[in-house]
Amino acid sequence: GAGVSQSPSNKVTEKGKDVELRCDPISGHTALYWYRQSLGQGLEFLIYFQGNSAPDKSGLPSDRFSAERTGGSVSTLTIQRTQQEDSAVYLCASTPTGAAYGYTFGSGTRLTVV
Amino acid sequence: DQQVKQNSPSLSVQEGRISILNCDYTNSMFDYFLWYKKYPAEGPTFLISISSIKDKNEDGRFTVFLNKSAKHLSLHIVPSQPGDSAVYFCAAPSNSGNTPLVFGKGTRLSVIA
Repeated sequence: GAGVSQSPSNKVTEKGKDVELRCDPISGHTALYWYRQSLGQGLEFLIYFQGNSAPDKSGLPSDRFSAERTGGSVSTLTIQRTQQEDSAVYLCASTPTGAAYGYTFGSGTRLTVV
Repeated sequence: DQQVKQNSPSLSVQEGRISILNCDYTNSMFDYFLWYKKYPAEGPTFLISISSIKDKNEDGRFTVFLNKSAKHLSLHIVPSQPGDSAVYFCAAPSNSGNTPLVFGKGTRLSVIA
């Protein structure tokens, strides 16, 4: 597609449930990033995939969070045993090569944990 | 600890006037800075950037100024338009020349007609 696509756009889940958020990057972009924006906060880096390299997981807030990127394309962010503090907008971005310029963000998934 | 700080959560400006959004950073190794703009329910979009070898970069109504000694940059929008109302994020690569970007908390700009 022409842009980064994220699904679902909104997700309401009960505390303790697992959720999966999906990101389709721009075709051919080798780098993919997950960020989240909690209420009143900036964009918090979560995880970064670059080509076939091991992902940079340094931003994941706890072991309940994991992500994978299959075939160098689609990525899934999984949050297990969701907590209320996980409520945020989860944003995915991709870039052609991993350079600082050229981030294209998706519209995000708004996750609400009730 | 925040490496990129935007200390003003919001700013209101009248249409036609200048908007000045500020950003401070702590890491003197940062060599590239970017501004992103975000509308509600949309992802951030790139607006303008500046390399540390420059002190100014201009693109139409948008100008970014960099003061390395003060570790401060600012985004000027002139004249401001109602369509500029959005949240503006300052960002820098966490490692020299590499990603991921580190973002500030953003400043919500409201341009009043």
